[in-house]
Order: sequence, then C-alpha cells, then structure tokens
Amino acid sequence: DAGVTQSPTHLIKTRGQQVTLRCSPISGHKSVSWYQQVLGQGPQFIFQYYEKEERGRGNFPDRFSARQFPNYSSELNVNALLLGDSALYLCASSLDGNQPQHFGDGTRLSIL
Amino acid sequence: GQNIDQPTEMTATEGAIVQINCTYQTSGFNGLFWYQQHAGEAPTFLSYNVLDGLEEKGRFSSFLSRSKGYSYLLLKELQMKDSASYLCAVFGDNYGQNFVFGPGTRLSVLP
Repeated sequence: DAGVTQSPTHLIKTRGQQVTLRCSPISGHKSVSWYQQVLGQGPQFIFQYYEKEERGRGNFPDRFSARQFPNYSSELNVNALLLGDSALYLCASSLDGNQPQHFGDGTRLSIL
Repeated sequence: GQNIDQPTEMTATEGAIVQINCTYQTSGFNGLFWYQQHAGEAPTFLSYNVLDGLEEKGRFSSFLSRSKGYSYLLLKELQMKDSASYLCAVFGDNYGQNFVFGPGTRLSVLP
C-alpha cells in the first residue's frame, strides 16, 4: 500500500512569491495534518483537516492556508513568502486524527 | 501553554541500553507518541501511550506517567542504525494546538 505522498520534493522560491504544496494521504485515512520543521527542531503544527473541515490551527500567520478535497488529499498554500518560511513541510495522515499519524517524506522549501 | 522538554543530545555505545526522557505540560491529554527521524527523512512512528505504564515493542519500550507529565523511550541492544533524532509528541486538545512535538533528542550510537 502506498504511504503518504507529497509533492514536490524540493522547491525554490523567492521572497514575496506564493507556493502550493500537495499531499495524498494513506488510502482510507480521512485526516490530514501539516507541519513545518526547521532544521534542528521538532515539527510545528500548522493545520489539521478531517472530512474536508479544518479541525485545528497552529500559531501561524494568515499567509498560511490549507484545504482538503473530497478524495481527502490536501493542499497547503503560503502567500508572500519570507526567508523564515524556509523549512521542511511535512504532511501526516491518520484514520480520524486521533490515531498515530503517518508522515510523508516532506517538501523542502527554500526561499532565496 | 504547551511545553515539551527532551535532552538535546545523547551518546551511547552499540549493544547498550539508553533511556530518552520527555516531560510535558499541555492543555488536555489524549496520548503521547514517540517518533524516530533520521537526518533528511520523515519521522516514523515508534510507539503510543495513552494510559500509565509500559508499552513494549521489540527493542523499543515506552513508559508514561500522566500524573507526573513524564514519559521515556527505552532502546535496548542499540545498533548503529538507531542513530537518529527521537521526537516526543503529545496529542492535546482535539482542536487548537492539536499535536505538539518536542524539540527532539539526537542520539549517536558509537561502535
């Protein structure tokens, strides 16, 4: 069975641009969560979606938004990129959000 | 607020036993998770505790004391491939901050 898949694997953007990251959960999983991980730190929670509705939001500015589609895949959008947005963006899926989460390999975003 | 503490780095010898501690203060508690993360890779799930006590899974065991806000991950018969970061994460409220990760403990296993 396929695990959590994320695309793209790497991305380079410049300040002020916008980016969209994509995630497909494990088949049967209805919850998707997004995390930002800066080098040397633990992942920071950004959003959780369940059944296409936002279930939780971390301490991130409104430049960060997300959505979940009917097939349970998800997109994370970041507007007006800043240098500090450079990080590994991880997507995790679980059956209902209350179960152990399984992570994708992440998208490494670099802002120049 | 949400706070999870772990030692930053630990070193152990191949074949030995190591215990990685985690203390937490979170609003709400619905479970504690341990993940392993090799450099440049995604975290992989190791263990899950929701009730007090010890959960054993092969060479890995995890302990939880909810009253003390404390957990540990025990790794036995250490192997070189166990060199990685170990992340403690608490599932707090169902809404809001949700899943809170600690900073991770970087374990180096020496021959």
